[in-house]
Amino acid sequence: LAKTTQPISMDSYEGQEVNITCSHNNIATNDYITWYQQFPSQGPRFIIQGYKTKVTNEVASLFIPADRKSSTLSLPRVSLSDTAVYYCLVGMDSSYKLIFGSGTRLLVRP
Amino acid sequence: EAGVTQFPSHSVIEKGQTVTLRCDPISGHDNLYWYRRVMGKEIKFLLHFVKESKQDESGMPNNRFLAERTGGTYSTLKVQPAELEDSGVYFCASSQVPYEQYFGPGTRLTVT
Repeated sequence: LAKTTQPISMDSYEGQEVNITCSHNNIATNDYITWYQQFPSQGPRFIIQGYKTKVTNEVASLFIPADRKSSTLSLPRVSLSDTAVYYCLVGMDSSYKLIFGSGTRLLVRP
Repeated sequence: EAGVTQFPSHSVIEKGQTVTLRCDPISGHDNLYWYRRVMGKEIKFLLHFVKESKQDESGMPNNRFLAERTGGTYSTLKVQPAELEDSGVYFCASSQVPYEQYFGPGTRLTVT
């Protein structure tokens, strides 16, 4: 399973776009990239998944360059309620267990 | 549609006692997972059920932990006897699609 590296923390202000980049140099050919969000006192929540290029849903966009060695989660116009920890996960073994790293703690200020 | 529920939300027990955590997955989800986060560490996988069968229990820390899933519905995770290092937050998740797992709010276990 590919190891991921993402910033420990990020600060932003309401209304700004936030981009969180995750490095995964050892990503395998069949690995997908998945992002989860976790609010305090809650379990993680699936945000988005992608394999290459760009994926967009109602919550976020995921940009994946051609070499797939990194990915960027983009949150448009963040609000205070987007303050959370964001996890980048790459790959999944045969039992489909999720491998969590330390995540990025995003703080959105007024 | 109801989400994944866990009971209790908090449990405080003394070292050597037994605790049983319960998870009710989303109806129709065959896959059920247990994870935990101990203080200051990352969320770690414990085990995976497919219906009532244990698919992968490689993350179970030792034989003091016993997980069951009765009839492929709810699941319990028993810790007996509890040790101080078992303190943490225990999450349950369920899914139909493997990568999109729905997590419960967790049970915070404190062993004193």
